[in-house]
Amino acid sequence: DAGVIQSPRHEVTEMGQEVTLRCKPISGHDYLFWYRQTMMRGLELLIYFNNNVPIDDSGMPEDRFSAKMPNASFSTLKIQPSEPRDSAVYFCASSPDRWGRGLLDEQFFGPGTRLTVL
Amino acid sequence: AQRVTQPEKLLSVFKGAPVELKCNYSYSGSPELFWYVQYSRQRLQLLLRHISRESIKGFTADLNKGETSFHLKKPFAQEEDSAMYYCALRGSNYQLIWGAGTKLIIKP
Repeated sequence: DAGVIQSPRHEVTEMGQEVTLRCKPISGHDYLFWYRQTMMRGLELLIYFNNNVPIDDSGMPEDRFSAKMPNASFSTLKIQPSEPRDSAVYFCASSPDRWGRGLLDEQFFGPGTRLTVL
Repeated sequence: AQRVTQPEKLLSVFKGAPVELKCNYSYSGSPELFWYVQYSRQRLQLLLRHISRESIKGFTADLNKGETSFHLKKPFAQEEDSAMYYCALRGSNYQLIWGAGTKLIIKP
């Protein structure tokens, strides 16, 4: 397994443009997480899904951010319109649900997408 | 409030010297704590969890409930230990609450 796959690895865009980040979780994992990493705020959970259903999106900063998981092997995080303060590294992670442990299992991270909004 | 504090953004030690990466937490229940590591050009990955009481790559971490700490230690640092280290706490809603991270640099 290639692990969690994210694309693109780097994205540079101009303020006001729409940005779409993509994630393919590890096959068989039931949970998918989107994180944002900045120097100022560290690693922040934005939203997570269980079996493709969004469970908690309280970390999504504002309505400009949206996330979907149309099937078990694909998720997107969209920012529309983007702003310079959205510049960060965005990580996707997935986790299995072994033995009904739910959120208690280890999270496996993707390589991240470095977003720069000019 | 549920919080994880890593007071050092950067820690630099010489090869062969002892290493201690500090982590303090705030949690009202029985905590479950983790250390994750990100080596250069690699993914963030689990290093160890307190519940396993394991030693990974020579690192150990002991939960001290009295001091609400979960410091990561290694008696003799190696150059390959240079990385970003994150302490994380399992919150009451089972999600991970992350510290800000400490960049560890091992000098030759």
